[in-house]
Amino acid sequence: DQQVKQNSPSLSVQEGRISILNCDYTNSMFDYFLWYKKYPAEGPTFLISISSIKDKNEDGRFTVFLNKSAKHLSLHIVPSQPGDSAVYFCAASKGTDKLIFGTGTRLQVFP
Amino acid sequence: GAGVSQTPSNKVTEKGKYVELRCDPISGHTALYWYRQSLGQGPEFLIYFQGTGAADDSGLPNDRFFAVRPEGSVSTLKIQRTERGDSAVYLCASSLNGGRTDTQYFGPGTRLTVL
Repeated sequence: DQQVKQNSPSLSVQEGRISILNCDYTNSMFDYFLWYKKYPAEGPTFLISISSIKDKNEDGRFTVFLNKSAKHLSLHIVPSQPGDSAVYFCAASKGTDKLIFGTGTRLQVFP
Repeated sequence: GAGVSQTPSNKVTEKGKYVELRCDPISGHTALYWYRQSLGQGPEFLIYFQGTGAADDSGLPNDRFFAVRPEGSVSTLKIQRTERGDSAVYLCASSLNGGRTDTQYFGPGTRLTVL
């Protein structure tokens, strides 16, 4: 039972354009959401998070949007840079430290 | 070191053998987590320690898996009677105080291959 879903396994975006990564969840008890970035042979690195009481959180080039009614969140990266090429994982938690991860989306930013 | 370290980086073993995977958290971090990432999947929670005690071990798949953190710092994940399905990257993470909003910092992982 996949509670956090990333339906796009890959995304290719031109440098300077916007990258939009999507994530859907099924459990309405989730109250905290995170995005992690992973480079090959490294562990995931925390990127940005959002609490369920908010619908948007912004940090520099990264913005996360949460639509609770649709059980959907998205990560916007603008402008995209070649160094953003990585696998992006969406994760969620329901009041505890236990993170439930999606399967990831591989982002490639080309010149 | 500045980050979470894990040893070994790679471990190849035969079916039925016993393995130990080690995690050194960031100094001063009281919370420690183990996750497992299979090919094509996201990390899957295994166990969470707050200090020396396991606060949540609901992700351990069966009794062949066991983890300890005797002094509240280094942790060892132990797998008995390994099976081919145990092959995965085992990730360790730590956070300063625990709690869902406390950032979890991940190590590079140990890639376990069971032949």
